Amino acid sequence: EAQVTQNPRYLITVTGKKLTVTCSQNMNHEYMSWYRQDPGLGLRQIYYSMNVEVTDKGDVPEGYKVSRKEKRNFPLILESPSPNQTSLYFCASSLSWIHEQYFGPGTRLTVT
Amino acid sequence: GEDVEQSLFLSVREGDSSVINCTYTDSSSTYLYWYKQEPGAGLQLLTYIFSNMDMKQDQRLTVLLNKKDKHLSLRIADTQTGDSAIYFCAEIGMRFGAGTRLTVKP
Repeated sequence: EAQVTQNPRYLITVTGKKLTVTCSQNMNHEYMSWYRQDPGLGLRQIYYSMNVEVTDKGDVPEGYKVSRKEKRNFPLILESPSPNQTSLYFCASSLSWIHEQYFGPGTRLTVT
Repeated sequence: GEDVEQSLFLSVREGDSSVINCTYTDSSSTYLYWYKQEPGAGLQLLTYIFSNMDMKQDQRLTVLLNKKDKHLSLRIADTQTGDSAIYFCAEIGMRFGAGTRLTVKP
């Protein structure tokens, strides 16, 4: 089944404790991206990747890091999480940046 | 920067038509998209329209595009309770609106 998977689905953590949210796709897509969804603000892009080893900042990259060492994986790293990073996070992938994006199920992160 | 704008809420009765509006920012956007997000789930592409089209119809869905005003709308005919969800418009490069929460009352 073609899909985008994210783990964990739910995470509660404390300020400053490094965490990684994994994202994996099995569709051989070149383009992958991370979004955060906040009430009233919709989806805002954090980082995106056009291909392996190619990543770039989206609209709200501060406090986040990503890597793209393999085509299928695009982890999101929070080196020192803060409460304002409490949000619902989505990973997405597509053939290219203009094609339909396939979204993962979301990761709900709470930072206390 | 400029935002893709949508109204946040829409409530309709079952069987009525729903119209969700969006104003986008990039006049060169060759594709415009509508995504649907059901409770607890990620977004799924509902439909899209090429910029050289004014209208696209797909079963109960009609998309209208006014390039002059950079206005996009999604009409859902005979709205059902299963259509209750958040609807996002997006322009090329995946700049999303804030989403319109559609509530369908029986």
